[in-house]
Amino acid sequence: DTAVSQTPKYLVTQMGNDKSIKCEQNLGHDTMYWYKQDSKKFLKIMFSYNNKELIINETVPNRFSPKSPDKAHLNLHINSLELGDSAVYFCASSHAGGNEQFFGPGTRLTVL
Amino acid sequence: AQRVTQPEKLLSVFKGAPVELKCNYSYSGSPELFWYVQYSRQRLQLLLRHISRESIKGFTADLNKGETSFHLKKPFAQEEDSAMYYCALTTDTGRRALTFGSGTRLQVQP
Repeated sequence: DTAVSQTPKYLVTQMGNDKSIKCEQNLGHDTMYWYKQDSKKFLKIMFSYNNKELIINETVPNRFSPKSPDKAHLNLHINSLELGDSAVYFCASSHAGGNEQFFGPGTRLTVL
Repeated sequence: AQRVTQPEKLLSVFKGAPVELKCNYSYSGSPELFWYVQYSRQRLQLLLRHISRESIKGFTADLNKGETSFHLKKPFAQEEDSAMYYCALTTDTGRRALTFGSGTRLQVQP
């Protein structure tokens, strides 16, 4: 099944903890992204990687650190989780020059 | 900086009625515009892009550069069209990340 996959689907954790979300795509794409969807359903870009190289780093706290071990994976590590980090995080991928982005199913993070 | 505005949070219509979801953008260059859709419990997926000028599931959208709009239209709504719709753009700077509007929830009632 060719797709963008994310794990875990749900993540519930306490404030102050460190957690990671994994993303993998088997579409052969060069570019991967992380988006955050807040409680009002607003989607905003966080990071973009092209061939393991960071291309976009929006105004995101440095508690968020993306890591791309290879071009098929883009993981998101979050340190010292805060209540405001609660959101749905979407991974996506596309060809480097392509327009269509393919999205993962999302990871719902709840910080208590 | 670029911006996408979707003025309606919720649009409720009856089955068979025409639908228009509004989208306006601001960007000084030449953007590429998209509509993405998220059905209940499904992932976000591309519905339309302005460069392809095609009709998908009966939906069309025309880029109006004078009005900086990219409204999504369908002449006869179906219940299965109920979903969250996002207008988005990418810029001509090579930055491929999508800038999304806030989304419009379309409810088609029987």
